[in-house]
Amino acid sequence: AQKITQTQPGMFVQEKEAVTLDCTYDTSDQSYGLFWYKQPSSGEMIFLIYQGSYDEQNATEGRYSLNFQKARKSANLVISASQLGDSAMYFCAIVVRTYKYIFGTGTRLKVLA
Amino acid sequence: DSGVTQTPKHLITATGQRVTLRCSPRSGDLSVYWYQQSLDQGLQFLIQYYNGEERAKGNILERFSAQQFPDLHSELNLSSLELGDSALYFCASSVDLSVHGTDTQYFGPGTRLTVL
Repeated sequence: AQKITQTQPGMFVQEKEAVTLDCTYDTSDQSYGLFWYKQPSSGEMIFLIYQGSYDEQNATEGRYSLNFQKARKSANLVISASQLGDSAMYFCAIVVRTYKYIFGTGTRLKVLA
Repeated sequence: DSGVTQTPKHLITATGQRVTLRCSPRSGDLSVYWYQQSLDQGLQFLIQYYNGEERAKGNILERFSAQQFPDLHSELNLSSLELGDSALYFCASSVDLSVHGTDTQYFGPGTRLTVL
């Protein structure tokens, strides 16, 4: 079975600084995908970034990058130059061939002015 | 805006009742997924449909059922509602079932169900 662990229930970061949100995963499959989603207080789930298990380069999308360390089974999200609008819950998720997404419990990020 | 629509946004009902949540996927997406997000359970996968057929099942109760129609919209039916069914219900859609299961899901805004 697949599992996602997000050990940081809450994080603070100063505006304009970078922050890393941790995510470790467990799967016996060689082929899988890792995703990060953002959930602001309004409730919607916003797709941020994706990393495939066979991708050799770390994924980047604007200010978001995914620090993928396959041997350690970690897929940390790095947000550079934090903005007040980045305050939200962030969820890491894994999907394997069953197509079922398994989500972590989330990390609540608060950006301080 | 993800392109996935869900109605209604809010639903308040009583225990024992039955409700139907509706989802329209993004244009061109064939797969629809349903999730339940409650405070104590986090985000739980319920069920997935692909082009009208059920493809994967998660932690869906027997009191819950879903279907996907020929126009690809989907409905989630919740019956004999209990207080614990109060949650945010998300629908998500994706283009295709890729072989490696790495299909990005785009979420709708959710339906907040309150059972009194």
